[in-house]
Order: sequence, then C-alpha cells, then structure tokens
Amino acid sequence: AQSVTQLGSHVSVSEGALVLLRCNYSSSVPPYLFWYVQYPNQGLQLLLKYTSAATLVKGINGFEAEFKKSETSFHLTKPSAHMSDAAEYFCAVTYAGNNRKLIWGLGTSLAVNP
Amino acid sequence: EAGVVQSPRYKIIEKKQPVAFWCNPISGHNTLYWYRQNLGQGPELLIRYENEEAVDDSQLPKDRFSAERLKGVDSTLKIQPAELGDSAVYLCASSLGTSGSGDEQYFGPGTRLTVT
Repeated sequence: AQSVTQLGSHVSVSEGALVLLRCNYSSSVPPYLFWYVQYPNQGLQLLLKYTSAATLVKGINGFEAEFKKSETSFHLTKPSAHMSDAAEYFCAVTYAGNNRKLIWGLGTSLAVNP
Repeated sequence: EAGVVQSPRYKIIEKKQPVAFWCNPISGHNTLYWYRQNLGQGPELLIRYENEEAVDDSQLPKDRFSAERLKGVDSTLKIQPAELGDSAVYLCASSLGTSGSGDEQYFGPGTRLTVT
C-alpha cells in the first residue's frame, strides 16, 4: 500500500538558516509527489509537484524539492528561511490509476526564530 | 481569478443539529473535492466529483453525511445529525480534471466546525 512519512512533526530553524523538511514515500509504481503549505486558518496551497519530469523541482517562495527514487524521498528545502515561512507543510503522493486520490503525510510544523 | 470560496468560515452547533457547508470552485474546474481535516493531521478525502457525478464517496459516512453538486458547479456538504467527533475543518478543493494524476488541487480556506 502507498504511504507517506514526514519525519519530524515539528522543525525549528533560525531566520536565514537552511530549511529541510523530510518526506519519504512508499509506492510500488511511479509516484506523483506534492508539497503543500498551510498557514494558520487557511486552506492548503501548492508549493510544488513532481510528475516524472525533472527530478529537481522548483516551487514558489524559493522552495525546491528533489525526487530521489533510490531513497524513496522527496525532501523540501529552502536555502534561507524567512519569518513568513512559518506554517504547516504537507507532503502527498498519488499515482496513475489511483483516481487522483492523494495520500497525505501528517504534516510538519515549521517555526522560524528571529 | 477568484479562488475556491467556502462559507461559512466558522460554525458552532450543538450535537444532533444539522449543518451545511457551501463551496464554489474555481471557474472551469471540473473536479471538486471535499476533505475533512482533524487537528494535527492531513486532509482526509470525503468525496470527489467529476462535474455533477460523485465518482469517489467511499470515505463519506453516508449515515449522516450527504453532498450534492447540482449543475456541476458549486457544492453543498451536509451533516445530519452532527456528533461531537465531527468537529474538524472541512476543506473544499477543485482542479481542472484534465492532467491525470498530476492534477493540481486548489483549496478553499475551509470551514471550522465545532460541535458542542
């Protein structure tokens, strides 16, 4: 069965530091992978997605993620954290034939300290 | 371009009362999703529509939940009667429905339901 694991339910970084949010997936078929961000009292916003094209995917707000098949990972990074990046981040996976049903991770709460 | 619109944003009701949530998707989006999100968790799909047809309602608790998408545009999700465990954020999302599994879902702000 397909699944998503986000390592670390809470991550804290200093402003200007590297952001690394981890996502590992389990899929027996080629996956489609997504990162979403959720700000307090708001819906989810797509940051980026992987759909079998380039393995390094660039998204909005300076975020990027690299698909590594050998490690079954799709970690989200940003070189320099801003205070405005504080939010909940969700990794999700689906695959062809799954009727576009996303399988979601439990989320990682990112705190950015001044 | 307007995003996904949901109303109300917040709702407090007593258990056993009915409640309804409304969603207007992005114009031109054929696919509409209703999710439930509990605190500290990812969204859980309740139902997916392709135009006016419910193509996946396997996770919808049909004894108390119902949904409709008349004319394939806006949609209403209803709970009757509500239970304490229904307290959650109800999210609506929409997508074009033309990109297969890579279809991007756009989310509304959600309705936070509190059942007392």
